[in-house]
Amino acid sequence: NAGVTQTPKFQVLKTGQSMTLQCAQDMNHNSMYWYRQDPGMGLRLIYYSASEGTTDKGEVPNGYNVSRLNKREFSLRLESAAPSQTSVYFCASSESRGGGYTFGSGTRLTVV
Amino acid sequence: ELKVEQNPLFLSMQEGKNYTIYCNYSTTSDRLYWYRQDPGKSLESLFVLLSNGAVKQEGRLMASLDTKARLSTLHITAAVHDLSATYFCAVDSGSARQLTFGSGTQLTVLP
Repeated sequence: NAGVTQTPKFQVLKTGQSMTLQCAQDMNHNSMYWYRQDPGMGLRLIYYSASEGTTDKGEVPNGYNVSRLNKREFSLRLESAAPSQTSVYFCASSESRGGGYTFGSGTRLTVV
Repeated sequence: ELKVEQNPLFLSMQEGKNYTIYCNYSTTSDRLYWYRQDPGKSLESLFVLLSNGAVKQEGRLMASLDTKARLSTLHITAAVHDLSATYFCAVDSGSARQLTFGSGTQLTVLP
């Protein structure tokens, strides 16, 4: 019963470096999401994928790209990391409208 | 653009007391979620409210939804220390099916 698995759990990057955050779900959910959480601001949607083969921008997409590799996997890429991208990143998945959302354990990213 | 406002943002309460957290949202939706988050942890689903007038209870927590008033409440009865956490409401909006979160209520229950 793994649910939503994110890797890595922690990462420190230097400004300008790139990296990819990985997310996989084993619940056969159609929709997947990437959120970032900053202190005092709740979670904000970066990108989402309503189904395999589709991706759309959320509230704060600048500086990020995503890939829905298959139904299970949804990755988030930072091409040139900036200190403003220091945050906790959560991946989530859901089956259908009205159903629940399952969140991963998060990735704590620090950009120095 | 959907906006979700929670209040209060910070709440300190004595054990045994009752209190209510409020969640207001700006556009029509009939799907609202409550989550709990402990420090350094992920989000734990508490309640899913899917229709006007929905009321759900689990232990000392009870959530309700009034879609006409665009308001959900999370009521805490006889608080205990283990309830200390941050509580988020989130609204499911539009055909694109996205969750929009409130800023969270940081609850501290004091002995």
